Amino acid sequence: GENVEQHPSTLSVQEGDSAVIKCTYSDSASNYFPWYKQELGKGPQLIIDIRSNVGEKKDQRIAVTLNKTAKHFSLHITETQPEDSAVYFCAASRGNDMRFGAGTRLTVKP
Amino acid sequence: NAGVTQTPKFQVLKTGQSMTLQCAQDMNHEYMSWYRQDPGMGLRLIHYSVGAGITDQGEVPNGYNVSRSTTEDFPLRLLSAAPSQTSVYFCASSYRTGSSYNSPLHFGNGTRLTVT
Repeated sequence: GENVEQHPSTLSVQEGDSAVIKCTYSDSASNYFPWYKQELGKGPQLIIDIRSNVGEKKDQRIAVTLNKTAKHFSLHITETQPEDSAVYFCAASRGNDMRFGAGTRLTVKP
Repeated sequence: NAGVTQTPKFQVLKTGQSMTLQCAQDMNHEYMSWYRQDPGMGLRLIHYSVGAGITDQGEVPNGYNVSRSTTEDFPLRLLSAAPSQTSVYFCASSYRTGSSYNSPLHFGNGTRLTVT
């Protein structure tokens, strides 16, 4: 089955700086790559997703890039704010089985 | 719309007890799934369903049963609880999944289960 690795496990940045989280996947047939944000005591919420026919996608301060050849994808958050502090998960799927990375705890210091 | 609703929010069981975690969605989603979340291990898929009457195993199915008698409900049963099943359980649903197209998962707020 699919294996997703996520780095780093923790990330601390100063408010206003950028944050980058990277993931690699093993199944070259995976075609859907969402990113989820999880706040304390809540379920994960989708923040952005990308499909295998697209190399980059942006939504305001958030962007995701996908390199299918290297089988890795990254989340970029610019101009970070304290409310961006949370745990972020990447995922990869082909069909009905979505596999998640282990998560990155992002802390944005005011 | 309430989205995905999970009950209970917290549960403590003794080893060997059984229980059912409830999950309901009101979005008319075909696909529903159960994940467990453990520290440092992310979310691991337990079971999933692509429609009423259809279920399949995920990455870590042992010790858990599921059924899907309606589109809305997807309960997860622990047959004989073990301390290794101490975890946070999330139910998720999606409009559509398939080899050619996936739509995003919508998660409930989880059930925190402790087995002593």
